[in-house]
Amino acid sequence: DAGVTQSPTHLIKTRGQQVTLRCSPKSGHDTVSWYQQALGQGPQFIFQYYEEEERQRGNFPDRFSGHQFPNYSSELNVNALLLGDSALYLCASSRGGRQPQHFGDGTRLSIL
Amino acid sequence: QKEVEQDPGPLSVPEGAIVSLNCTYSNSAFQYFMWYRQYSRKGPELLMYTYSSGNKEDGRFTAQVDKSSKYISLFIRDSQPSDSATYLCAMTVGSNYQLIWGAGTKLIIKP
Repeated sequence: DAGVTQSPTHLIKTRGQQVTLRCSPKSGHDTVSWYQQALGQGPQFIFQYYEEEERQRGNFPDRFSGHQFPNYSSELNVNALLLGDSALYLCASSRGGRQPQHFGDGTRLSIL
Repeated sequence: QKEVEQDPGPLSVPEGAIVSLNCTYSNSAFQYFMWYRQYSRKGPELLMYTYSSGNKEDGRFTAQVDKSSKYISLFIRDSQPSDSATYLCAMTVGSNYQLIWGAGTKLIIKP
């Protein structure tokens, strides 16, 4: 039973560029949430997708956007990258948007 | 003041010891409480999931919730070097609401 998978595992970008991160949820899950985790901190909620719509959003600027596909997989897009966007980006999936959530191993994004 | 406070550690204990990890919170509306374990360069792994107050046991792990004190704990019995990781608490007001996280406690189990 495949868990949550994320790609790529590591990405290096420069300031001002755009990036797309991808996530496939755990089998049987239909809801995907995205988190940003800075070094030494707990994850910060970015947004959640359910039935291909953004259902909840945390305190992140519009530079962060997402999409959910009919097969429940999801993408996180970040435009106009800043040095402060360097972090581990985690995807979590759940059933019906309810707890508990299961996490992938993340994409480590480094901005130079 | 953060909604969820967690001592960052590191907490270093000898193998076989009982470990106690704690979080305090300020929002009395929190009802769902979780503990995750995160190894270096990995995503958080769900350990325990509890609703409301009380205790829950799963193998060597016991989770306690004291809503009157706004305090949750995770106990690990017979700790092993493989338990060395960062332990994160998370909580939410409703099952379909966003999680609010502590900063995590780094635990080191010495052989």
